[in-house]
Amino acid sequence: QVQLQESGPGLVKPSETLSLTCTVSGGSISSYYWSWIRQPPGKGLEWIGYIYYSGSTNYNPSLKSRVTISVDTSKNQFSLKLSSVTAADTAVYYCARGNDYYDSSGYYRVLDYWGQGTLVTVSS
Amino acid sequence: SSELTQDPAVSVALGQTVRITCQGDSLRSYYASWYQQKPGQAPVLVIYGKNNRPSGIPDRFSGSSSGNTASLTITGAQAEDEADYYCNSRDSSGNHLAAFGGGTKLTVL
Repeated sequence: QVQLQESGPGLVKPSETLSLTCTVSGGSISSYYWSWIRQPPGKGLEWIGYIYYSGSTNYNPSLKSRVTISVDTSKNQFSLKLSSVTAADTAVYYCARGNDYYDSSGYYRVLDYWGQGTLVTVSS
Repeated sequence: SSELTQDPAVSVALGQTVRITCQGDSLRSYYASWYQQKPGQAPVLVIYGKNNRPSGIPDRFSGSSSGNTASLTITGAQAEDEADYYCNSRDSSGNHLAAFGGGTKLTVL
């Protein structure tokens, strides 16, 4: 059973860089799209971006200038960095596995395994 | 604002059928996937593609699509189905996973 676990500081100061790591266990990090999603308190889900195990990335255009996602296949980990944070970046941050499924109608990329989420608060 | 639009809240009587909808231009070209989120928990995938359920998801959950609208139907809603439901699809540029709906709070009466 694949499991994902987020780790990193729960409190970040405004203008600094938020850094989180997701450790994948129970399966290989190869051949999937490793994703970050966030959820501000009481609000909906927002896709941040993902990285393919080979290193190619795709980011939410609204966050692209501040986001970097990287992968370390030797450690079965991937990471998120979000720079110049403000209070609006306060959220529960989830890591998740993106996987492609196929049927007669085509293929679909879905988030089939999720971490439990970690709350990051931006405050001085 | 989100590229995918959902009703904020829907209610259903125990054992009855409820449909949760998601609207957006990208849905004319791409199927949606649906996630269930209970309070304090991570989302769980319940439907993807034309109408596919991951292993372990009850068959009372089904999906459909018409025009710019995707629907999640729960036939015979149970108390444990009370949760927030989010649709997800590609955005207008075709980027996978990029568009989430605002979510629908389902209350089972």
